[in-house]
Amino acid sequence: EPEVTQTPSHQVTQMGQEVILRCVPISNHLYFYWYRQILGQKVEFLVSFYNNEISEKSEIFDDQFSVERPDGSNFTLKIRSTKLEDSAMYFCASSTDNPRTIYFGEGSWLTVV
Amino acid sequence: DAKTTQPPSMDCAEGRAANLPCNHSTISGNEYVYWYRQIHSQGPQYIIHGLKNNETNEMASLIITEDRKSSTLILPHATLRDTAVYYCIVRVSRDDKIIFGKGTRLHILP
Repeated sequence: EPEVTQTPSHQVTQMGQEVILRCVPISNHLYFYWYRQILGQKVEFLVSFYNNEISEKSEIFDDQFSVERPDGSNFTLKIRSTKLEDSAMYFCASSTDNPRTIYFGEGSWLTVV
Repeated sequence: DAKTTQPPSMDCAEGRAANLPCNHSTISGNEYVYWYRQIHSQGPQYIIHGLKNNETNEMASLIITEDRKSSTLILPHATLRDTAVYYCIVRVSRDDKIIFGKGTRLHILP
């Protein structure tokens, strides 16, 4: 069964450093998403991406964050100047157009120290 | 998700059917009912979705009431691996995102 894959599974970074989280969405999917989950809290929407541009973003997704689809297969989340409160599990997801059923990856756990 | 109401937790004995209720009294005609679950420290997993008719797949069955104001997710033979938080979500199929609420924490008891 096709799946969304994410790397790395766990990353530890120093506060102030830049982090890139990588995702390979399901191959025929057109819509891509990033979500995050702080330990013990709800899964929160960050951003959706379609046709090489952001289609929607939440208040969390400020100038510190950016997304990119650098080639035909990868989808990345860049976090600049990481803060302690960026420590969370980050989930990538993708979907086809109709129905817009969203499938999630297993997550990248980011620890900022 | 403010559009749905779920009990915060439920228990079910292993091998029995787990019936998870969800109220969505303000659902619109073009909104689907989606169910996801999150097993501890894993990504949310799609289970099933439906519009009006009852649906069944290899994981579960979804029963939607005739007035569409509530639904029940049925796991026919629950196993310990079904222990997870289950999310009932109402959304238009072409919505650009899913908003997760608090869900129901299902404990499968041996």
